Amino acid sequence: SAVISQKPSRDICQRGTSLTIQCQVDSQVTMMFWYRQQPGQSLTLIATANQGSEATYESGFVIDKFPISRPNLTFSTLTVSNMSPEDSSIYLCSDSDTQYFGPGTRLTVL
Amino acid sequence: QKEVEQNSGPLSVPEGAIASLNCTYSDRGSQSFFWYRQYSGKSPELIMSIYSNGDKEDGRFTAQLNKASQYVSLLIRDSQPSDSATYLCAVDRPNTGFQKLVFGTGTRLLVSP
Repeated sequence: SAVISQKPSRDICQRGTSLTIQCQVDSQVTMMFWYRQQPGQSLTLIATANQGSEATYESGFVIDKFPISRPNLTFSTLTVSNMSPEDSSIYLCSDSDTQYFGPGTRLTVL
Repeated sequence: QKEVEQNSGPLSVPEGAIASLNCTYSDRGSQSFFWYRQYSGKSPELIMSIYSNGDKEDGRFTAQLNKASQYVSLLIRDSQPSDSATYLCAVDRPNTGFQKLVFGTGTRLLVSP
């Protein structure tokens, strides 16, 4: 089973700034997914991180706001750009092979 | 109609009882079904996956799938206070290739000592 780690575990950021979240898997996986969980809500898929090609975004999410990198089969980053308080959420990564989740990044935007 | 529907609860059961959590889904083409447990402030933990009609048992957990009725359930036998959490049902989106999941809103389970 894959072990997924994320950094940072939490952060408090100012409006208008950007934060990059890292996701590391301990084995090679086919696809990595990025989800958002807003306070009191369920999980919503943001995008699929593809190795060697651009990420695939879900309806309502755009690359300018959530740029994603996937430089190899074990690592991905999600950037939350030009943040506003509405971006305060938990951001989670998972992999397509096991459907396990990382521990999440709790983001608060002031 | 929501893609994945769950009763938000809370579902309250006494310790030692069977907890029954239910989930319905809208897309008949879905093939993969997952149950996650999420404790407050933690990330979801995968506890069961099921792909075929019928029952699948793992310890105190049993997942039940009925594709004709588009219904999946999770039974927790001998419920413990430590089972108190939100249980999320997730279903794959057909024809997405790599098991993109749609999540229900979750059912909060409270097990009282």
